[in-house]
Amino acid sequence: SQTIHQWPATLVQPVGSPLSLECTVEGTSNPNLYWYRQAAGRGLQLLFYSVGIGQISSEVPQNLSASRPQDRQFILSSKKLLLSDSGFYLCAWGLSEETQYFGPGTRLLVL
Amino acid sequence: SQKIEQNSEALNIQEGKTATLTCNYTNYSPAYLQWYRQDPGRGPVFLLLIRENEKEKRKERLKVTFDTTLKQSLFHITASQPADSATYLCALGRGSTLGRLYFGRGTQLTVWP
Repeated sequence: SQTIHQWPATLVQPVGSPLSLECTVEGTSNPNLYWYRQAAGRGLQLLFYSVGIGQISSEVPQNLSASRPQDRQFILSSKKLLLSDSGFYLCAWGLSEETQYFGPGTRLLVL
Repeated sequence: SQKIEQNSEALNIQEGKTATLTCNYTNYSPAYLQWYRQDPGRGPVFLLLIRENEKEKRKERLKVTFDTTLKQSLFHITASQPADSATYLCALGRGSTLGRLYFGRGTQLTVWP
């Protein structure tokens, strides 16, 4: 069966510090991968999606970037965090254009 | 851009009753619509998908309807239980954009004994 992992589960970082969140998927090949952010009281916002190694599409301009160095690995990064980057970050995978399966999420607090 | 409204932020019902959640959308018609369940501090979990050419879909105590004329989906939980308490999200997909989903903000359902 397929599983998706995210780490860390919780992160507290100072403003201006770098960020690296990792997501890995097991039990499938060539999945579509997604990064979402869920801010308090707001819906899920798609940040990036990838259909293959090295292929990244950005949905909104922001202080973040994403990379896919391996088929089942998706990384979310920032060189300098802003207060507004705080939120709940979710990674998801899917094999078709339809159903997406979400990871457990990373709670990021920027102080 | 697509706008999705889940018309109540919170819904409180008594155990055993039917919970009905609403999802309305504007602009283009989606190829399919999905409902997810999200518990506090956790990622959403897929529940049901209904396509634009389907009127109704059922799964155990769950029922979803899709009215493309009204641009609305209704999500029903029959014989609700306290364990059904969670936030329910609707999401729309266009069917041609590699899984690009547009999510609503969700409705927080509380089922009290």
